[in-house]
Amino acid sequence: ETGVTQTPRHLVMGMTNKKSLKCEQHLGHNAMYWYKQSAKKPLELMFVYSLEERVENNSVPSRFSPECPNSSHLFLHLHTLQPEDSALYLCASSQNLPGLASTDTQYFGPGTRLTVL
Amino acid sequence: SQKIEQNSEALNIQEGKTATLTCNYTNYSPAYLQWYRQDPGRGPVFLLLIRENEKEKRKERLKVTFDTTLKQSLFHITASQPADSATYLCALDRGTGFQKLVFGTGTRLLVSP
Repeated sequence: ETGVTQTPRHLVMGMTNKKSLKCEQHLGHNAMYWYKQSAKKPLELMFVYSLEERVENNSVPSRFSPECPNSSHLFLHLHTLQPEDSALYLCASSQNLPGLASTDTQYFGPGTRLTVL
Repeated sequence: SQKIEQNSEALNIQEGKTATLTCNYTNYSPAYLQWYRQDPGRGPVFLLLIRENEKEKRKERLKVTFDTTLKQSLFHITASQPADSATYLCALDRGTGFQKLVFGTGTRLLVSP
C-alpha cells in the first residue's frame, strides 16, 4: 500500500447524478493532486492543493469541483458529467509542491474507475 | 511541440532475460526523470528517480540511465520475472507550467515463464 486510499473504487453514474470521490493520505504530505487517466493518454493533472489551498487550476470543466477540508483529505465532487468523463481518477500526494528543492515524487492511490452512462 | 514517447506496443520477454524500456522526449530540458510501475486497475507506484547530472541509477534489479544529449532514458529490469509484468511510465520534470511532472503513456511489459 502507498499510504493513499481512495473510495469508491468503482462508480457508475448517470449524466444527471451527483457523486463525490474521496481521497485520504496517511503520509503527512503537504500537497495533494487529482489526476485523470484515460485509455492511451498520459496522466492529466486536474487540481493541485498545497496545505489545503488550491494552488493553481487547470482548465477543467466546472462539473468537476474539488474540496480539501484538511491536509489529509481531498474530495472531487461530480455533477452532470458526460460520457467522455469516464476514466480512472487518481489521487496522489507528495511531500511538497515541485520546486527547486523538491522532486515531487508522487504517491498514488488505487484510483476510482468512473463510468458515466 | 513537447512530447514524451514510450513504445505503445507491449514488450514480451522470457523470464530471466533483461527487459529494456525506452522513454524519449522532445523539447523538454528536465532536471530529473522518474519511472513508475502501474498494475491494471491500480495507481502508479514510484520506482526510481534520476537527475540530469546522473548517468545511471540502480535499485536491486532495476537500472535507469539518462542521456540528456539523446534526450532519452532507458529502464532495465534484469533477471525479469512474471511478477514484473505491468505498465511502466516515465515522467519528467517540466520545470514550469501547471503540470510540472508530465507522464508518458507507458509501455506494457509481459514476462512469460
